[in-house]
Amino acid sequence: GESVGLHLPTLSVQEGDNSIINCAYSNSASDYFIWYKQESGKGPQFIIDIRSNMDKRQGQRVTVLLNKTVKHLSLQIAATQPGDSAVYFCAEIPNNAGNMLTFGGGTRLMVKP
Amino acid sequence: DAGVIQSPRHEVTEMGQEVTLRCKPISGHNSLFWYRQTMMRGLELLIYFNNNVPIDDSGMPEDRFSAKMPNASFSTLKIQPSEPRDSAVYFCASSLGVSASYQETQYFGPGTRLLVL
Repeated sequence: GESVGLHLPTLSVQEGDNSIINCAYSNSASDYFIWYKQESGKGPQFIIDIRSNMDKRQGQRVTVLLNKTVKHLSLQIAATQPGDSAVYFCAEIPNNAGNMLTFGGGTRLMVKP
Repeated sequence: DAGVIQSPRHEVTEMGQEVTLRCKPISGHNSLFWYRQTMMRGLELLIYFNNNVPIDDSGMPEDRFSAKMPNASFSTLKIQPSEPRDSAVYFCASSLGVSASYQETQYFGPGTRLLVL
């Protein structure tokens, strides 16, 4: 993913609804992906990861889906809560890049009470 | 358990001054990363250490930036001389560091917000 500069895409959802945040990655050689959540004034916080030999992984209230054919990653949050409001980043590591993460530009999630 | 610790949390300095940012990785983690975050460029990797050895510093913007890791529990990022365009939030992250090439989760510190006037 490329940085989108000053204007982050924003997803606004009602409390209790499900949220889906999407990420397109560019490197077909990427085989490890991580979703991070960043609240205002804090560092990115690990949410969930997935390796390229999987297409779905579930955590607590979160699911990550990976579609390698179209190089697309999504994060699904069930029963979205006000505390989920944050900027969400996908990050990837190509299989020839050691442990070097490349971050996407981020999506701002706003949860309406 | 303590996470990644960074200091200071906020730094305001004048152009031309030396700035030193500090990081203590999670105990037992062997890889350490320095990132910079700005509105325009997002999160960028500056440098990455494994077992205290710099593995990749291709993200370091220029010679004014330097990073060291004298031991497994401490790293510094220094900017000398600082310039207004260095204003950003600087994050340190660490991971288990099974090896320099193993892909694994990175855990981030709270960041240092730097403002260079």
